Amino acid sequence: GAGVSQTPSNKVTEKGKYVELRCDPISGHTALYWYRQSLGQGPEFLIYFQGTGAADDSGLPNDRFFAVRPEGSVSTLKIQRTERGDSAVYLCASSLNGRGAEQFFGPGTRLTVL
Amino acid sequence: GENVEQHPSTLSVQEGDSAVIKCTYSDSASNYFPWYKQELGKRPQLIIDIRSNVGEKKDQRIAVTLNKTAKHFSLHITETQPEDSAVYFCAASIYGGSQGNLIFGKGTKLSVKP
Repeated sequence: GAGVSQTPSNKVTEKGKYVELRCDPISGHTALYWYRQSLGQGPEFLIYFQGTGAADDSGLPNDRFFAVRPEGSVSTLKIQRTERGDSAVYLCASSLNGRGAEQFFGPGTRLTVL
Repeated sequence: GENVEQHPSTLSVQEGDSAVIKCTYSDSASNYFPWYKQELGKRPQLIIDIRSNVGEKKDQRIAVTLNKTAKHFSLHITETQPEDSAVYFCAASIYGGSQGNLIFGKGTKLSVKP
């Protein structure tokens, strides 16, 4: 079946603008994770969804970042008033049940804030 | 919270040699340790994982060892090939816990010279 997909693959925006990044998890996976990967670093956890609810948003860096998963499938990560420091690759992962099951990653969205 | 340290940051070996990458973790509650391989511009892909109820796991040329007492785990690649060249990330999480988000090391760039 299809793996995790993310759109867009690249996003260039200007400082202060609003962006939305989309993640389509593997069908049937109840758990969905967002990570951020800066150049030369490992992925850093942002937020975890179990079904429709955000079970853990402790990794979100500040209130400019928000994510939703209204129907328990597709998720959107929203960033308001973007800053140059937000530039990174945003990775989405899904797993069958979220209780430590294998996480499958999407290809990521490369966000560049000019 | 959990902290994962990974060494070395870069590793260069000759084709056919073995490569070893080491990670330490801080939270004794962590019990699931996956390793991901990430080629340039691609998504992280799980190559092997280990749970804390075993000390070693092998899959063809790849093996992982875990020392719970010392809180460290290692990736061993034997008979390296040029296609093994990539960045490798270790991670830790709590399998069966309420979140399961992964805490990653900073990565090891492995170069296999033909």
